[in-house]
Amino acid sequence: QKEVEQNSGPLSVPEGAIASLNCTYSDRGSQSFFWYRQYSGKSPELIMFIYSNGDKEDGRFTAQLNKASQYVSLLIRDSQPSDSATYLCAPQRDFGNEKLTFGTGTRLTIIP
Amino acid sequence: GAVVSQHPSRVICKSGTSVKIECRSLDFQATTMFWYRQFPKQSLMLMATSNEGSKATYEQGVEKDKFLINHASLTLSTLTVTSAHPEDSSFYICSARDRKTGYGYTFGSGTRLTVV
Repeated sequence: QKEVEQNSGPLSVPEGAIASLNCTYSDRGSQSFFWYRQYSGKSPELIMFIYSNGDKEDGRFTAQLNKASQYVSLLIRDSQPSDSATYLCAPQRDFGNEKLTFGTGTRLTIIP
Repeated sequence: GAVVSQHPSRVICKSGTSVKIECRSLDFQATTMFWYRQFPKQSLMLMATSNEGSKATYEQGVEKDKFLINHASLTLSTLTVTSAHPEDSSFYICSARDRKTGYGYTFGSGTRLTVV
C-alpha cells in the first residue's frame, strides 16, 4: 500500500464548477496535511494546511480532513482556468519529524 | 513570506562531470532543508534532509557519495551531483520552513538538470 494515494487524473472540470481532489494516507500517525499546487515545469506552492478534523476554508479553497478514515480532500469552488495544475497531497507525522511524503498528485484541467 | 532562492534554474552538463546546486533562504534561517528529485510526470521524491552543521540524512536508495549535501550555514545548503550520468537528469528542488512565521514549507524554484 502506498503511503499517500491520489487519483492521478486527469480530472476535467468546467470553469465555474467545483473541483474535488481526494487523498488517502496509510500512516495513522499523520497529524498535519498539506496541499500543494504545481504548475508544469515549476516547483510546488502551498495552497492549504490542515491538522484538525473537519473543514478549513481559505477563499475558494476548502480542505476537509477525516483522520478516522485517513482521508483528506481539497475542494476548489468557482474553478478558474488558472487552477489547472497538478495538486499534491502531503501528510506529515509531526513537527518534530518534518519531512513530507508526497502523493503522486492529481492533474486538474479546468475547461473554459 | 519566506523565500527560498535556488540556482541555477537550468543546467546542462557532460556525463562524468559534477554539478552544484545552491539553495538559500533569503529572509529566514533554515536549520533544516529538504532536497527532492522529480522525474517527468512523477511526484516529488525526498532524497535527503540537510541539517545545518551536521551530516545530511539520506533516504533509502539514495547514494550519499553521489549526491553530496552541505549545509554550512543557516541560510545556505548545496547539493552536488558527482560524476553525473544521463539517468541523473531530473528536476531537483529544495525546500525549507520558516519556523517563526508559519507551518508551510517553501520550495525553491527548482533546477532542471540535463546530463548529455
